[in-house]
Amino acid sequence: EPEVTQTPSHQVTQMGQEVILRCVPISNHLYFYWYRQILGQKVEFLVSFYNNEISEKSEIFDDQFSVERPDGSNFTLKIRSTKLEDSAMYFCASSEPDTQYFGPGTRLTVL
Amino acid sequence: AQKITQTQPGMFVQEKEAVTLDCTYDTSDPSYGLFWYKQPSSGEMIFLIYQGSYDQQNATEGRYSLNFQKARKSANLVISASQLGDSAMYFCAMREGKNQGGKLIFGQGTELSVKP
Repeated sequence: EPEVTQTPSHQVTQMGQEVILRCVPISNHLYFYWYRQILGQKVEFLVSFYNNEISEKSEIFDDQFSVERPDGSNFTLKIRSTKLEDSAMYFCASSEPDTQYFGPGTRLTVL
Repeated sequence: AQKITQTQPGMFVQEKEAVTLDCTYDTSDPSYGLFWYKQPSSGEMIFLIYQGSYDQQNATEGRYSLNFQKARKSANLVISASQLGDSAMYFCAMREGKNQGGKLIFGQGTELSVKP
């Protein structure tokens, strides 16, 4: 069964460093998303992406964040200058049409 | 106001019994979708079941069923014949609008523990 994959599973970085989280959505899906979950809290929407552009973003998704689909398979989330409060689990998801399937997540730890 | 409310932070159920996890939602949009996801301790988010606002019948997927009461704005998840592997966090989520690709809004989750 097709699934969303994410790499790395765990990323540790120093505050102020740039990180890139990578995702490979399900191949025939056209809608892509990033969510995050701070430890012990609910899942929060960051951004959705369709037809090579952002379709919606949340207040969390400020200028420090960017997304890209550099080729036909990868979907990336870049955090330009990480802060302590960016420590969270980051989930990529994809859908076609309604149900969003999530990847296993990348746990980001900012020290 | 909370869009999705899950009032049970934790629930216990005996193995082989049924359990209902509560979810209420708030929207003025006539078109929306309701979802349940399971998050085991390993952390991944597993899709369980979907109910569209115009669906006439309650959704079912194996041991999972969704008790959809539109007038009450509730979408409770019923798990029948609980198994030890059902122990996990369960999240209710809503997508507003007809548009494909709309964001999901999640509730706070309910932690279910299945006792042997």
